[in-house]
Amino acid sequence: EADIYQTPRYLVIGTGKKITLECSQTMGHDKMYWYQQDPGMELHLIHYSYGVNSTEKGDLSSESTVSRIRTEHFPLTLESARPSHTSQYLCASSDSGVNTGELFFGEGSRLTVL
Amino acid sequence: AQKITQTQPGMFVQEKEAVTLDCTYDTSDQSYGLFWYKQPSSGEMIFLIYQGSYDEQNATEGRYSLNFQKARKSANLVISASQLGDSAMYFCAMRLKTSYDKVIFGPGTSLSVIP
Repeated sequence: EADIYQTPRYLVIGTGKKITLECSQTMGHDKMYWYQQDPGMELHLIHYSYGVNSTEKGDLSSESTVSRIRTEHFPLTLESARPSHTSQYLCASSDSGVNTGELFFGEGSRLTVL
Repeated sequence: AQKITQTQPGMFVQEKEAVTLDCTYDTSDQSYGLFWYKQPSSGEMIFLIYQGSYDEQNATEGRYSLNFQKARKSANLVISASQLGDSAMYFCAMRLKTSYDKVIFGPGTSLSVIP
């Protein structure tokens, strides 16, 4: 059973608000990822981390920022939300020391910006 | 450029038949891994199968097998004896070892199993 948690599950906010999507995992995984996905569509990588204080931007340009101060925690922040940020955000983690290194996913945070 | 292509937006298969979902990838890396994930309408991401770029044998996991053709850069998923519960979105993904284990996904294929 994967232990990766995302909060909030659902969030409706107004334009211009600052939001932070939380992601935590208790598996000690070194790699963590944030994806943006519209319903039934492709997962777009927006940020990933390969260790504490080591983050990279993904292929999808995003106005969000991330931090990795602790192994288990990988929050995503939007300083000023806009309607174009409305989407589902999926967090995942993996252990690069394992052969398959499969990604374990959280349940997602569905964001609606009015 | 690193990219995953899945050319079949939607597929239909009769229950109990086999189906192949196509995936091609583009990378100049020598060390990479390929995954298939299933996403039912509930939204959870379910790991199905993995193939490493240096693995000589095609991966198999129960009813799932991965037809890996390295020279053609293809990693097709074969589902044998389809079941109604196989109806879902299927995503091909690639892990790039030389890019700090960056993992990118393809656009997905929607599979519908017909009774």
